[in-house]
Amino acid sequence: AQKVTQAQTEISVVEKEDVTLDCVYETRDTTYYLFWYKQPPSGELVFLIRRNSFDEQNEISGRYSWNFQKSTSSFNFTITASQVVDSAVYFCALSEMNTGNQFYFGTGTSLTVIP
Amino acid sequence: EAQVTQNPRYLITVTGKKLTVTCSQNMNHEYMSWYRQDPGLGLRQIYYSMNVEVTDKGDVPEGYKVSRKEKRNFPLILESPSPNQTSLYFCASSKIPGQRNQPQHFGDGTRLSIL
Repeated sequence: AQKVTQAQTEISVVEKEDVTLDCVYETRDTTYYLFWYKQPPSGELVFLIRRNSFDEQNEISGRYSWNFQKSTSSFNFTITASQVVDSAVYFCALSEMNTGNQFYFGTGTSLTVIP
Repeated sequence: EAQVTQNPRYLITVTGKKLTVTCSQNMNHEYMSWYRQDPGLGLRQIYYSMNVEVTDKGDVPEGYKVSRKEKRNFPLILESPSPNQTSLYFCASSKIPGQRNQPQHFGDGTRLSIL
């Protein structure tokens, strides 16, 4: 079973629109960590955010915001007023303490922002 | 400059010819990991290491070996490569994932083609 599910394979939005990327995870651990990474067309992987299972506070960083809800096992990522430079593949990932910090990535969501 | 260095960046080789992809980090990180990225499958963890002489299998370890004799180096070894190991490989490092606000730093990737 997939531990991290990113159901949206590809999304296209027009510049300045808001967009939300969904991430649903599955774990039995009480201590775990969730991450988002960005992979622009150049191919490198860029860390965006890390959240631990005890911290359900939502976070905002500029145009980026993250909504962590343990009740629905979701960790969604919203880009406000999207820009062309946001075009990339975005990965959600899970790390579980009880498995010795093995990492599980979702299959990624490819976001295209159209000018 | 803090970085994870992988070599080579590109390699085309033939089935059965042993190869090693090197990975080195200069951040004194305890945790190192190898992933492969395939279209539609996201990143899948091959092996990871919590410290020197400590390695564990990830999701897709078959056909790969690793070693961690020094803290800074974590080579990935393909003893007898096969075409299904054609992929984009990433090495990553971080402090122990449980420590607060510690992102994984990724190398630039190694594109392997096994003919």
